[in-house]
Amino acid sequence: QLQLQESGPGLVKPSETLSLTCSVSGDSISSGSFYWGWIRQTPGKGLEWILSMYYTGNGYHNPSLKSRVTFSVDTSTNQFSLRLSSVTAADTAVYYCASGHSVQDGLPEFWGQGTLVTVSS
Amino acid sequence: EIVLTQSPATLSLSPGERATLSCRASQSVSSYLAWYQQKPGQAPRLLIYDTSNRATGIPDRFSGSGSGTDFTLIISSLEPEDFAVYYCQQRSNWPFTFGPGTTVEIK
Repeated sequence: QLQLQESGPGLVKPSETLSLTCSVSGDSISSGSFYWGWIRQTPGKGLEWILSMYYTGNGYHNPSLKSRVTFSVDTSTNQFSLRLSSVTAADTAVYYCASGHSVQDGLPEFWGQGTLVTVSS
Repeated sequence: EIVLTQSPATLSLSPGERATLSCRASQSVSSYLAWYQQKPGQAPRLLIYDTSNRATGIPDRFSGSGSGTDFTLIISSLEPEDFAVYYCQQRSNWPFTFGPGTTVEIK
């Protein structure tokens, strides 16, 4: 059973870069058994996939965000991260890290508890 | 991008009643449709995947059906803990998308 936990600043200034980390327990992030994703939720747009990636580097970025998004994995700490550049107020959201079995792409069975990120000066 | 619409937006029912929630896709998603439950302050929880398969630990009062563009989630007899927001989600085409949700509230 995977457990996921997000961490990162709750407040980011406009035009800066949002950085979040997801700590994984219950399996090795490099096992290949799971994909790793970020999903955000806003009152206006609802739930939105940001990216879904495998340890190998294959995966998907949401076209609406692709140019601003970076995904990385740290096997030494069993964490994966999201960086979203040039943020605006529209990026204010609850950000979830999520995961599912690699044979069921796009089915997030495991979620972190979510972290609210506010973009404001 | 595949757009999912859910109806009704809000369902007001009493415990013990049957809830029927609908999800419609803007194009076929085959059977790759899932349902999630979300309570305030919590992450969504997977209930049903690939139209009709219950996730681990989900009681059998939850059932899903449909294919192509039209899908239904039925809660056969509402328990107090079932009052929540329900989302459908497709994983047929990237970007995977969610519906706007149906709130099941206590009447």
